[in-house]
Amino acid sequence: RKEVEQDPGPFNVPEGATVAFNCTYSNSASQSFFWYRQDCRKEPKLLMSVYSSGNEDGRFTAQLNRASQYISLLIRDSKLSDSATYLCVVRLGRGSNYQLIWGAGTKLIIKP
Amino acid sequence: ETGVTQTPRHLVMGMTNKKSLKCEQHLGHNAMYWYKQSAKKPLELMFVYNFKEQTENNSVPSRFSPECPNSSHLFLHLHTLQPEDSALYLCASSQDRTSGGYRETQYFGPGTRLLVL
Repeated sequence: RKEVEQDPGPFNVPEGATVAFNCTYSNSASQSFFWYRQDCRKEPKLLMSVYSSGNEDGRFTAQLNRASQYISLLIRDSKLSDSATYLCVVRLGRGSNYQLIWGAGTKLIIKP
Repeated sequence: ETGVTQTPRHLVMGMTNKKSLKCEQHLGHNAMYWYKQSAKKPLELMFVYNFKEQTENNSVPSRFSPECPNSSHLFLHLHTLQPEDSALYLCASSQDRTSGGYRETQYFGPGTRLLVL
């Protein structure tokens, strides 16, 4: 089983719709979670951190479910500019000995 | 923009060539990273430098050799590469809080797209 698993997609969604996708992680000791966004042929950029209580940033909502070991990203009122690959990142360990585990990404295409 | 630059942006090399990738960060960070990104695969962490000291080397073949002369510059020296090494090589930086070893958000450069023939 992959340490961090994402549905590769693509998710084809009409503009204005709501879309959600999940990311599952295998290590229950995972400490922190993030969503990064990567546009085609560009570098990844942090979209948002995922807090235990869930958090919202404008049209984006991130949730963490520790019991089932997954995080989710919800995008409301999707825009054409939301088209990108969304990367899930999990941080394992504490102190100086820890690592970031990256998912392979979920591709999202917003259609007019 | 991110404040992390990489050169060259594209590189084609033969298996017997020697080349170097360069990364520079203008963010005042103290940790720098090399990642490999292949199509449809997760980012693979290759090397980590904290305060110019290499702290991680994730079983990377010796044909990849990193160098970190100071906290703002990072190089990846390449020699006798294989076609399967063709990928996007991303440099990133972050501010590592040494007291807790906590690595803040990573800021990426635009990457070097490498093709090995």
